Amino acid sequence: DQQVKQNSPSLSVQEGRISILNCDYTNSMFDYFLWYKKYPAEGPTFLISISSIKDKNEDGRFTVFLNKSAKHLSLHIVPSQPGDSAVYFCAASANSWGKLQFGSGTQVVVTP
Amino acid sequence: GAVVSQHPSWVICKSGTSVKIECRSLDFQATTMFWYRQFPKQSLMLMATSNEGSKATYEQGVEKDKFLINHASLTLSTLTVTSAHPEDSSFYICSARDIRGGEQFFGPGTRLTVL
Repeated sequence: DQQVKQNSPSLSVQEGRISILNCDYTNSMFDYFLWYKKYPAEGPTFLISISSIKDKNEDGRFTVFLNKSAKHLSLHIVPSQPGDSAVYFCAASANSWGKLQFGSGTQVVVTP
Repeated sequence: GAVVSQHPSWVICKSGTSVKIECRSLDFQATTMFWYRQFPKQSLMLMATSNEGSKATYEQGVEKDKFLINHASLTLSTLTVTSAHPEDSSFYICSARDIRGGEQFFGPGTRLTVL
């Protein structure tokens, strides 16, 4: 049973524009959410996280929004750059110490 | 900082043999390490949680006798795939959590191919 879902397997965006990646979850016990970036044949790299007490967290070009009532979070990347082309995984856990449940990933392609 | 290494990065073995994968936290101590596997174009699936000095906790459906995990020190965890079969071919990734807490740091992964 997939508790974390990324319904868009791929996203193509023009360089300089905004990339919006979406993630939905079903487990109301999840309290801590993360986004990871992954290149082929490499491990995921941590991007940004948010705890349930916040609805927004920003770090440079990356902003994560959390809507607890809708059990939905999104990652905004602006402006998108060619180096952002990768697979992005959403992950959730019951707390910052807990084990992570990953979504299925969204392949982002940033075109010139 | 927060570098996690895995060795080997790739391995090809014959069916029936055992393969050991090492996961090391290079510049921090990790009381907890996690082992994941990823099939092509799929999510990372947690296999087990490894705590230093104690037995690993396996996720439902993961055979603990097939996937042996040892976490003998604060910087090293090993995953041994015993009697490997072609269906065990996958990308195995470990992660480590700093002893002080916080997010997990992932290793680069190990590609296992069983012929």
